[in-house]
Amino acid sequence: DAMVIQNPRYQVTQFGKPVTLSCSQTLNHNVMYWYQQKSSQAPKLLFHYYDKDFNNEADTPDNFQSRRPNTSFCFLDIRSPGLGDAAMYLCATSQGRMTDTQYFGPGTRLTVL
Amino acid sequence: EDKVVQSPLSLVVHEGDTVTLNCSYEVTNFRSLLWYKQEKKAPTFLFMLTSSGIEKKSGRLSSILDKKELSSILNITATQTGDSAIYLCALSTSGTYKYIFGTGTRLKVLA
Repeated sequence: DAMVIQNPRYQVTQFGKPVTLSCSQTLNHNVMYWYQQKSSQAPKLLFHYYDKDFNNEADTPDNFQSRRPNTSFCFLDIRSPGLGDAAMYLCATSQGRMTDTQYFGPGTRLTVL
Repeated sequence: EDKVVQSPLSLVVHEGDTVTLNCSYEVTNFRSLLWYKQEKKAPTFLFMLTSSGIEKKSGRLSSILDKKELSSILNITATQTGDSAIYLCALSTSGTYKYIFGTGTRLKVLA
C-alpha cells in the first residue's frame, strides 16, 4: 500500500544530543510537512517543502532543521534537544493541488532525558 | 490571523448517543476543510469539504460545511466506544500548502 512511513516510531535521546527523525513516502506527493504535537494540543506546523522549496514557520526554533534530499524522503534534525522538545513528531504529505487531502505518517514519539 | 476553533473541547457520552462536533473558522481565501480522527497515534483522514451544503457521509459519520456561517459540523450517530478519540478540524487556504489545525474535540464514549 502507498503510505507515509516514519522511523523510528520511538526515539529516546539525551538533553543536547542531536537526533534525526526520518520520513519517507510512496505517494509521490509534492508537499511534505513536519508537525510537532504535544499532549492534548493540535499539531503545530514546523516547516514544509513543496518539492525542494523549503518553507519555515516564523516561530519554528532554529534548533529544528530539515532536509529533503529527494521526493520520497524528508528528515527532521533537532540539533540540541531540550526537555521541551519532547513530543510526537508527525510527518505528512499532500499532492499540492487545489483540493487536497493531507496524509499522516504514524509519528515518532521523542523522549528527551 | 487565520484561526480555527473547535467546540466543545471535550465531551463524554454513552454508547448509542448522537454527538455533534463543531468547527468554526476565520480564514482568508478558504480552500477546504478537513476532519481527522486521532486515537493514540497519527490523525486519520475522515472528510474533506469544499462546497457549502453538501453532506459527506461515511457509515455513522457525516459532515457538512456552511460557508455563510464559517463553520462545519461532524455528526456521529449511534456512538460506539471505538469512536473515542480526538477529532481534529483543519483548514487550507488558497495560495499556500499549509493546513491550520484546531485544538480538537476529545470525545469519550462510555459503554
